[in-house]
Amino acid sequence: DGGITQSPKYLFRKEGQNVTLSCEQNLNHDAMYWYRQDPGQGLRLIYYSQIVNDFQKGDIAEGYSVSREKKESFPLTVTSAQKNPTAFYLCASSISPPLGYTFGSGTRLTVV
Amino acid sequence: DAKTTQPNSMESNEEEPVHLPCNHSTISGTDYIHWYRQLPSQGPEYVIHGLTSNVNNRMASLAIAEDRKSSTLILHRATLRDAAVYYCILKRGGAGSYQLTFGKGTKLSVIP
Repeated sequence: DGGITQSPKYLFRKEGQNVTLSCEQNLNHDAMYWYRQDPGQGLRLIYYSQIVNDFQKGDIAEGYSVSREKKESFPLTVTSAQKNPTAFYLCASSISPPLGYTFGSGTRLTVV
Repeated sequence: DAKTTQPNSMESNEEEPVHLPCNHSTISGTDYIHWYRQLPSQGPEYVIHGLTSNVNNRMASLAIAEDRKSSTLILHRATLRDAAVYYCILKRGGAGSYQLTFGKGTKLSVIP
């Protein structure tokens, strides 16, 4: 079955360390997205990519970096510059331009 | 993207219909009305979307006011699996818009 795989489901890191979250899709979608969700809040867009080798900043890109070397993959690096990295991170994909979005099941990152 | 307003929470009895309201008084002519839902600790799931006419699918129905300033998501028979946060989102049509802007949504509780 086609879908989006985010791994791992739970991730723990020490403060000051960079960490990379994985997102892979086999839906043949051109566009991919990263969102952040804090408790009781809606989703906020971090970065998105319309096509391979291209990406744009979303509303809260500071402290994050991405790459899009392959159509299937859109990894997100949470750098030590991100002041409050503990959150639930969601990856999504869509056709380009988008009609609807398919989300992964998320990675819960805890920085201690 | 234009803003939507939803109640913070609603309750429904199991096997009863549920009407989830959404106000979007600043909607523009090219904005589509999307609904997603999010179960606890999971990514959002597409429910339904529409532009002007009422829409039905296997999950729900979407009733859109004639002036398009409000809409209602209708779950015809609530089950315990429908307990989730429901997001009403305006998505600009056309090639330029890739972003979905999520509010806090409506938390639906289903009472057995």
